Amino acid sequence: SAVISQKPSRDICQRGTSLTIQCQVDSQVTMMFWYRQQPGQSLTLIATANQGSEATYESGFVIDKFPISRPNLTFSTLTVSNLSPEDSSIYLCSVEATSGGLYQETQYFGPGTRLLVL
Amino acid sequence: QKEVEQNSGPLSVPEGAIASLNCTYSDRGSQSFFWYRQYSGKSPELIMFIYSNGDKEDGRFTAQLNKASQYVSLLIRDSQPSDSATYLCAVNMINNDMRFGAGTRLTVKP
Repeated sequence: SAVISQKPSRDICQRGTSLTIQCQVDSQVTMMFWYRQQPGQSLTLIATANQGSEATYESGFVIDKFPISRPNLTFSTLTVSNLSPEDSSIYLCSVEATSGGLYQETQYFGPGTRLLVL
Repeated sequence: QKEVEQNSGPLSVPEGAIASLNCTYSDRGSQSFFWYRQYSGKSPELIMFIYSNGDKEDGRFTAQLNKASQYVSLLIRDSQPSDSATYLCAVNMINNDMRFGAGTRLTVKP
């Protein structure tokens, strides 16, 4: 499995500002994903980020609001722009990787970033 | 129909009992199935995976898969209070996209 870190672990931001979340993996991975998880809810996929190509966004999420960078195979950033209180959530990055006993890849998650927008 | 459906619970079982968590999926071509555990305030962690019809056991956990019925379940034997968490079912669809269920919240009461 992959070891994934995220920065910041939490932040409190003012309405109208932006927050950039960093995701670092300890090994090279092709597929990285960004999820949002609102309190008491399940995971909602925001976008898939592959190195060397533009991110693919899920329905309801747009690049202007959630720009993503993927400069190399171990790193990605998600920016949440023009923040509103509705953006208060946990943001999780995940990577697709194999683990012992798995012949197919599955997803491993970073620790998450808790965002509160005032 | 949602791609992956789970009973949201909460499911409450006494300590030492068997907890049974269920999941159905819509894509008949799905090949691999995963269970994640998510403690409150933490990120999901992979606990089980299953590819073939039947049962797969790992310690106190047993995953069961029935592709004909498009049904996958997780049994937790001898449930402990430390098993209290939300359990997410995940399915790798035929297009290789992974989809997560909404999760079932399990509470194990001492």
